[in-house]
Amino acid sequence: DVKVTQSSRYLVKRTGEKVFLECVQDMDHENMFWYRQDPGLGLRLIYFSYDVKMKEKGDIPEGYSVSREKKERFSLILESASTNQTSMYLCASRIHETQYFGPGTRLLVL
Amino acid sequence: DQQVKQNSPSLSVQEGRISILNCDYTNSMFDYFLWYKKYPAEGPTFLISISSIKDKNEDGRFTVFLNKSAKHLSLHIVPSQPGDSAVYFCAASRETSGSRLTFGEGTQLTVNP
Repeated sequence: DVKVTQSSRYLVKRTGEKVFLECVQDMDHENMFWYRQDPGLGLRLIYFSYDVKMKEKGDIPEGYSVSREKKERFSLILESASTNQTSMYLCASRIHETQYFGPGTRLLVL
Repeated sequence: DQQVKQNSPSLSVQEGRISILNCDYTNSMFDYFLWYKKYPAEGPTFLISISSIKDKNEDGRFTVFLNKSAKHLSLHIVPSQPGDSAVYFCAASRETSGSRLTFGEGTQLTVNP
């Protein structure tokens, strides 16, 4: 079974804080992804990574950065959180053509 | 530019009947399509997929149909069960994109007992 875990299920932060969201997969997958999900907008790709230390911008990278120092871990960083970054954040890793998702982190920025 | 669209935000069906969820896409380069199911406060769960070389794929109660000429796919669930109530997302990818997925907006399915 593919297992993708995210460090927090719920998070409350203040505007301007630096926020780290961690994602870990245990299947030695090379490709990992960060999405945000908002009502009526589906899942939108923020960043993805093909391998260690590699990153590619997705469709909405503004205000975010990522880090992939080890194959199993992909971190999403909000350098200075803003209220419009309140959302559900989903991490995924890929095997063959299918992506498998973690449980999500619901982030509220006040 | 919404390349994958699910035009129905919600669908309600009776238990035991068929649920049909629809998805349209505009990019003819997409060659792989997936359906995910999502419960509130959980991550999406992979349901079923189809390659563009096929027009149908079946897995138990779930069948996905692909009409390439119409750029349309659909997910059939039969018989529908109350536990199927969730948001369903369709997604598409193309081989040269490194399996980046483009998602639709989602359809909330409610199966009434």
